[in-house]
Amino acid sequence: KAGVTQTPRYLIKTRGQQVTLSCSPISGHRSVSWYQQTPGQGLQFLFEYFSETQRNKGNFPGRFSGRQFSNSRSEMNVSTLELGDSALYLCASSSLWTGSSYNSPLHFGNGTRLTVT
Amino acid sequence: DQQVKQNSPSLSVQEGRISILNCDYTNSMFDYFLWYKKYPAEGPTFLISISSIKDKNEDGRFTVFLNKSAKHLSLHIVPSQPGDSAVYFCAASAVLLPQGGSEKLVFGKGTKLTVNP
Repeated sequence: KAGVTQTPRYLIKTRGQQVTLSCSPISGHRSVSWYQQTPGQGLQFLFEYFSETQRNKGNFPGRFSGRQFSNSRSEMNVSTLELGDSALYLCASSSLWTGSSYNSPLHFGNGTRLTVT
Repeated sequence: DQQVKQNSPSLSVQEGRISILNCDYTNSMFDYFLWYKKYPAEGPTFLISISSIKDKNEDGRFTVFLNKSAKHLSLHIVPSQPGDSAVYFCAASAVLLPQGGSEKLVFGKGTKLTVNP
């Protein structure tokens, strides 16, 4: 079974631009979560989608948005990029949404490294 | 407000010895806990989990202990191997909240384990 695929692996953008990151979950997984990892902050939850519906949202500004398609693939968009948005963005999938089962751990992709200059 | 805390940013142990990674949480509604391991340039991988109805879960060299009264959990690795050198994240969630819905999976900031040959 193929794992979670995130594209692109690396991105360099300029302040003020916008960026779209893509995530393909494991086949059959309907839940996709997005996390931001920065040095010293660990993994901070952005949002979770299940069956095309946003189920949960973290404490990030409205510049961060996402969506999920009918094939469970997900995209995350960041508008008006700021220097502080430089981070590793991780996507994770699971068979059930994280609030529904004990036995559905997240499977992470290798992330997209975003650098904002 | 950090709900999941890993107070040791780093830990260094000798090969063959025991590694003990600690995690504290503040939200008494958390009822499911997980450990993830992360190598550089890769996404976190699920290691082991425990639900609040248990106080111990073992999987090979890895054992997780949960002390609900102290709101503390720990991961024991015995014996430690150089390949265990990675960043370990503790995570917690609550399946159901009294007000409805669920708590998203919350991660600690991680502990970098180095196992010296």
